[in-house]
Amino acid sequence: DAGVIQSPRHEVTEMGQEVTLRCKPISGHNSLFWYRQTMMRGLELLIYFNNNVPIDDSGMPEDRFSAKMPNASFSTLKIQPSEPRDSAVYFCASRSSGFYGYTFGSGTRLTVV
Amino acid sequence: GQNIDQPTEMTATEGAIVQINCTYQTSGFNGLFWYQQHAGEAPTFLSYNVLDGLEEKGRFSSFLSRSKGYSYLLLKELQMKDSASYLCAVRDMYSGGGADGLTFGKGTHLIIQP
Repeated sequence: DAGVIQSPRHEVTEMGQEVTLRCKPISGHNSLFWYRQTMMRGLELLIYFNNNVPIDDSGMPEDRFSAKMPNASFSTLKIQPSEPRDSAVYFCASRSSGFYGYTFGSGTRLTVV
Repeated sequence: GQNIDQPTEMTATEGAIVQINCTYQTSGFNGLFWYQQHAGEAPTFLSYNVLDGLEEKGRFSSFLSRSKGYSYLLLKELQMKDSASYLCAVRDMYSGGGADGLTFGKGTHLIIQP
């Protein structure tokens, strides 16, 4: 089991640029979550997919943020245009129905300068 | 929404026992989780409580009282590798995330001293 795989591990970009973060959930897991972690706010849920369908995106901070899950093995989180306040660690997590544990990926550390 | 409180930082001695408390307020409680997070790494699952009482798993135990909105994580026989942040998280039937997303506290940074 390769776990939840995120890429890139680190991303440094200039303000105004588009950023795309990628996630491959554990095979067989039907729920996928995007979280953002900062010192000030801790871990915040951004959006949640169940069977590739977005269930609730109320945590997405602004229209600059969008997420897709075109199939069961891939999801993206896009920020366009990026701003310095978007700097954070972005985690993807997945879970299978009937199992209570959520498995997190290693995260993408985003720095917007 | 939820309000989850836990101490910001705690210090304990190697070999000792430490209890990390978590209080929460939620309208549709559907489970409480504890995660461990080492600096620069992903959170890893430690325990899950949905009914009142104590769940024991090796050196780690977690307790839940739903009526009091209270949980604690108990770590025994502390080792230096237990230095990490410990995150309390609640699942709420009426929260965002379609009743399946977790809301996390800000975490307790545990420092183990020799």
